[in-house]
Amino acid sequence: DIQMTQSPSSLSASVGDRVTITCQASQDISNYLNWYQQKPGKAPKLLIYDASNLETGVPSRFSGSGSGTDFTFTISSLQPEDIATYYCQQYDNLPPWTFGQGTKVEIK
Amino acid sequence: EVQLVESGGGLIQPGGSLRLSCAASGFTVSSNYMSWVRQAPGKGLEWVSVIYSGGSTYYADSVKGRFTISRDNSKNTLYLQMNSLRAEDTAVYYCARGGFDIWGQGTMVTVSS
Repeated sequence: DIQMTQSPSSLSASVGDRVTITCQASQDISNYLNWYQQKPGKAPKLLIYDASNLETGVPSRFSGSGSGTDFTFTISSLQPEDIATYYCQQYDNLPPWTFGQGTKVEIK
Repeated sequence: EVQLVESGGGLIQPGGSLRLSCAASGFTVSSNYMSWVRQAPGKGLEWVSVIYSGGSTYYADSVKGRFTISRDNSKNTLYLQMNSLRAEDTAVYYCARGGFDIWGQGTMVTVSS
């Protein structure tokens, strides 16, 4: 099975800061990677699909990049409403499809 | 409106069975691959199972042989039959469409005596 290593597990940043989260796959997954935002008590929300494509309706301050084994998720200017936990997920070829451990983003 | 609504969760004793439902509206379940994902209290997301439009099914090792995913095309509903439940199956269970662009609100399953 493909393992996803996400870091950091938590971070604290100021409003307006640039925030970066990384995800590393244990083998080449091409660009088969999603990024999600999850707020407490809510279902995950898809933000980025195919590693770098912004889901419809998602603010442009969110972006993703990478291919192969190394991926990056960026919030260009952190806003108070971005406080949440963020997850990567690989969906290469056949299941099982695995999630990263999550990154909790807080305001400093 | 495109949406998924889960139901069927609850408190169940270890070794018991439960069937979760996921009713879809605004799209056709049988035309998409559909997944179940769970989240134990305070923990991360764990993919559980998928059913493809052609009917093929796959399971996480942690539930293989105990859980069965299915769908009723006439009701446009996805199911997860959970047997031989264990304490470690305690989680919020979400259904999700295809590329995980649409998720239900989740249903809580608690396995405890």
